[in-house]
Amino acid sequence: EDKVVQSPLSLVVHEGDTVTLNCSYEVTNFRSLLWYKQEKKAPTFLFMLTSSGIEKKSGRLSSILDKKELFSILNITATQTGDSAVYLCAVEAGSGNTPLVFGKGTRLSVIA
Amino acid sequence: NAGVTQTPKFQVLKTGQSMTLQCAQDMNHEYMSWYRQDPGMGLRLIHYSVGAGITDQGEVPNGYNVSRSTTEDFPLRLLSAAPSQTSVYFCASSTRGGRNNYGYTFGSGTRLTVV
Repeated sequence: EDKVVQSPLSLVVHEGDTVTLNCSYEVTNFRSLLWYKQEKKAPTFLFMLTSSGIEKKSGRLSSILDKKELFSILNITATQTGDSAVYLCAVEAGSGNTPLVFGKGTRLSVIA
Repeated sequence: NAGVTQTPKFQVLKTGQSMTLQCAQDMNHEYMSWYRQDPGMGLRLIHYSVGAGITDQGEVPNGYNVSRSTTEDFPLRLLSAAPSQTSVYFCASSTRGGRNNYGYTFGSGTRLTVV
């Protein structure tokens, strides 16, 4: 059974801190790993990773994939209160017709 | 483009009632899926479809039916609502296999309460 595990499940930091969120996976025929940010409503797309060692970056957020060790990290530098959200990791696996498998998410709270 | 449209946004049902959650997308995506989200559980797949006329079960299909008669629409039917189905439901769509470099596009969700 495909499995995606995120850690920590929740995290509280102060503004300006740097955080690292973790996502490990066990799936058959890995295709891609995706990160989403979810505030009050629907998840919004952050990154899609398919290759090991290539960092994807968007502003203060960055992510990298390690396909040998089967994990990804999402880094957020100089955190702001607007970064408070649930961050979801999902993996696409199988034949290409298989839906995304989501982890339980990491709830990040950034306090002023 | 409207993207993925879910209706209703909120619904309260009595135990035993049936209802249909609507999902429509206007991006010509082949792939559509329904997830439910409960506190601390992440997103769990209910049913999905890889194209019109093709559906399959996900992780938690019991108590739900789907059909896909058109590319645009993917309704989720609750046959006889139970309090355990109280949740937030998300519909999502993507191009085949999600390989459109933007992952899935999600609807805004339906918050369902069964009393």
